[in-house]
Amino acid sequence: EAGVAQSPRYKIIEKRQSVAFWCNPISGHATLYWYQQILGQGPKLLIQFQNNGVVDDSQLPKDRFSAERLKGVDSTLKIQPAKLEDSAVYLCASSSNRVGYEQYFGPGTRLTVT
Amino acid sequence: DQQVKQNSPSLSVQEGRISILNCDYTNSMFDYFLWYKKYPAEGPTFLISISSIKDKNEDGRFTVFLNKSAKHLSLHIVPSQPGDSAVYFCAASAGVLNTPLVFGKGTRLSVIA
Repeated sequence: EAGVAQSPRYKIIEKRQSVAFWCNPISGHATLYWYQQILGQGPKLLIQFQNNGVVDDSQLPKDRFSAERLKGVDSTLKIQPAKLEDSAVYLCASSSNRVGYEQYFGPGTRLTVT
Repeated sequence: DQQVKQNSPSLSVQEGRISILNCDYTNSMFDYFLWYKKYPAEGPTFLISISSIKDKNEDGRFTVFLNKSAKHLSLHIVPSQPGDSAVYFCAASAGVLNTPLVFGKGTRLSVIA
């Protein structure tokens, strides 16, 4: 079974530029999450999708961050415009619709904003 | 306001000995707890979990203990191996179905040969 795929793995941009990250979850997993992990911290949820609907985006900075999950499979997370404090690893995770599930994480995209 | 706390940023253990990683939580609604292991440049990998209806779960060299009254859980690794050297994250969720995980800051374990 293929794992969660993410691209790009690394990205360096200047502040005020825009950037997009892509995630392909494990086949059949209905739930998809985007987490932000700042250096020295644990992952923090940005947004959760159930199929192609948003379940929780309460911690997503909506003035600059947006995310979509078309057709309930792949997802894209966008930042526009980027700030220095957005430098972090962006992790995508997916899970199946079972109680006691585990979330499976992709390798992440390391973003550096200069 | 950290709901999941891992108060030891790092831990160093000799190969073959026991590693004990600790985690405390504050939210009484949490009823499912997980440990993830993370190597550099990789995403977190699920290790072991425990439901609040249990106080112990064992999987090979890994055992997780849950003390609900103290809101405390621990991960025991016996015997520790050099390949166990990684950052370990404690995570919790307020059950039902597909709820987001709340993570601690992680503990870096170094197993010395």
